[in-house]
Formats: sequence, C-alpha cells, structure tokens
Amino acid sequence: DADVTQTPRNRITKTGKRIMLECSQTKGHDRMYWYRQDPGLGLRLIYYSFDVKDINKGEISDGYSVSRQAQAKFSLSLESAIPNQTALYFCATSDLAFNDGGELFFGEGSRLTVL
Amino acid sequence: AQSVSQHNHHVILSEAASLELGCNYSYGGTVNLFWYVQYPGQHLQLLLKYFSGDPLVKGIKGFEAEFIKSKFSFNLRKPSVQWSDTAEYFCAVSPPRGDYKLSFGAGTTVTVRA
Repeated sequence: DADVTQTPRNRITKTGKRIMLECSQTKGHDRMYWYRQDPGLGLRLIYYSFDVKDINKGEISDGYSVSRQAQAKFSLSLESAIPNQTALYFCATSDLAFNDGGELFFGEGSRLTVL
Repeated sequence: AQSVSQHNHHVILSEAASLELGCNYSYGGTVNLFWYVQYPGQHLQLLLKYFSGDPLVKGIKGFEAEFIKSKFSFNLRKPSVQWSDTAEYFCAVSPPRGDYKLSFGAGTTVTVRA
C-alpha cells in the first residue's frame, strides 16, 4: 500500500462545481503539502501544514482552501472550479524541514479536469 | 524570473549514452538541493539530495549530481542510461531560511530509445 494516498485519482468536473481532493498518509509525518503540476511550470505550492492547527498559504493559494482533519489527513478544496485549475495535483509529506535534511514524499497524484 | 532553471525541456538519447541535465538556481546563501524523478504513470520520488558536505552526491539507480556553488548549479549525470530511465526529472531548491518551501524547476523529459 502507498504511504501517501490520494483520492480521487482522476476527476472530470464542470465550471462552478465544488471539488475536494483528499490525502491520507501512514508515514507519521507532521508536515503535509499540496502542489499543483502544470506542463512547463513544474510544481507549485498551494498550501502547507506543519500540524493540525497550522495551515499556511503557498505561492498559488487563490481559489483553493484546505482542511487538516488529523495528522494523517489533509484535504484540498476548490470551492468553485474554473478551467484554469485543470492540472495534476500532488499531496506530499515530510518529516523534517528541508534545511534540516528533510525531503518530500509524494502521493500518486490526482488529475483534475475542469470543463 | 524563475528561481530554478532547467535548461533542457526534452532530451532524447539512445541506451548507453551519457546523460547530463542542467539545473541552475538564483538564490544566494545556503541552499539545499534535490533531484526528483517521475516515471510514466508514477508519483515523484527522490533521486538524490545535497544537504551539506561532499558536493558530489550519489543517488539511486546510478545517478549523481555535483553542486558547484560558484556557478549556482546542481547538474544531474548518469554515465550510461537505460531505457528504464525514461522519465521526467525535476530539480528543486530549498532557499535560505525556506524550511517549508521547495522551488521546483519546470522539469526535463528524458526519452531513452532502445
């Protein structure tokens, strides 16, 4: 079983719909992240959380919200989806800060298409 | 301007050829450097990372990377590629005091022909 699990893996929806992408992890890490991958742009950080009570915006948080329901669960919501949110979304975890030698562990991705 | 630049968008080569992928970053000060790989249909996984110490870092599957501070570079190399190295490769940099942030390059798609 994957250590970082994302659901759904694929979703097609219409403009204006509310969408939730869920992430759960069994690694026991406190730090969780949501990234978006677009061709030619690499990965960009949407939100990150260092524990259940700590939620922070990343570089492209507009149009998104998150919920950290438990240490192991971190959900990403699109309140009103728009076509330019069509992308591949990755959840990731880390055990340490990056400047302490930490690294990201990724889920398998959720491909979202907004028509 | 992008903080992490990968100069090659798509590289095509034959099996047994040598591979070098360029990565440059624009942050000053102490950084931590990473290469991630995404095989077709799979999630990103870590190839190697530089945290401190020897600037020549060896990773999984025969890959290595060299941190050259004066050139702000962290190029990835493999002496002899295999068909199974076909993947997308991402360079990532944790900037100074950026303990929460990894800045990713745009990625390089590597296609290895048998």
